[in-house]
Amino acid sequence: DVKVTQSSRYLVKRTGEKVFLECVQDMDHENMFWYRQDPGLGLRLIYFSYDVKMKEKGDIPEGYSVSREKKERFSLILESASTNQTSMYLCASSLRGPETQYFGPGTRLLVL
Amino acid sequence: GENVEQHPSTLSVQEGDSAVIKCTYSDSASNYFPWYKQELGKRPQLIIDIRSNVGEKKDQRIAVTLNKTAKHFSLHITETQPEDSAVYFCASRWGYGQNFVFGPGTRLSVLP
Repeated sequence: DVKVTQSSRYLVKRTGEKVFLECVQDMDHENMFWYRQDPGLGLRLIYFSYDVKMKEKGDIPEGYSVSREKKERFSLILESASTNQTSMYLCASSLRGPETQYFGPGTRLLVL
Repeated sequence: GENVEQHPSTLSVQEGDSAVIKCTYSDSASNYFPWYKQELGKRPQLIIDIRSNVGEKKDQRIAVTLNKTAKHFSLHITETQPEDSAVYFCASRWGYGQNFVFGPGTRLSVLP
């Protein structure tokens, strides 16, 4: 059974803080994704990675960066958190190609 | 880039009735269309998917149809049950990359 975990379920940060969200998958998946989920907008892709140290911008990469130093771990970084980054962040992974994406439980981030 | 629209945004049906959710996409190069179900407070989970070389796919009470000419695909749920109540997201993968675009979601309520 695929397991995708995220470091925090809830997080409260202040404007300007640097925020790290971590995602770990245990199925040796090649692809990993970061989405944010907002009401009425569905899931929007921030960044994805198809291999270690490889990353591609999604639809809304501004204000975010990512890091994938190990295959199982994909980190989302908010260099300087802003209130408009208050959202639910979902990590996902897939084996390769157009395969099923497995989602983590999500991190609800509140930026004050 | 790809744009995915989803209708309706909310849908209420009586238990036992059928529910249909429709998505349209803009890029004719899109070739893979998954549907995700997200129950309240839980992560999205894949329920069914279809590739562009197939017109219809069924899995028990759930079916997905694809009309490539019109660039739309639909989710059909028959004999709805209360546990079908959730938010449903369609998605489209365009080209041969890993970039998925999600629809905004449909909140389905099955009334007893």
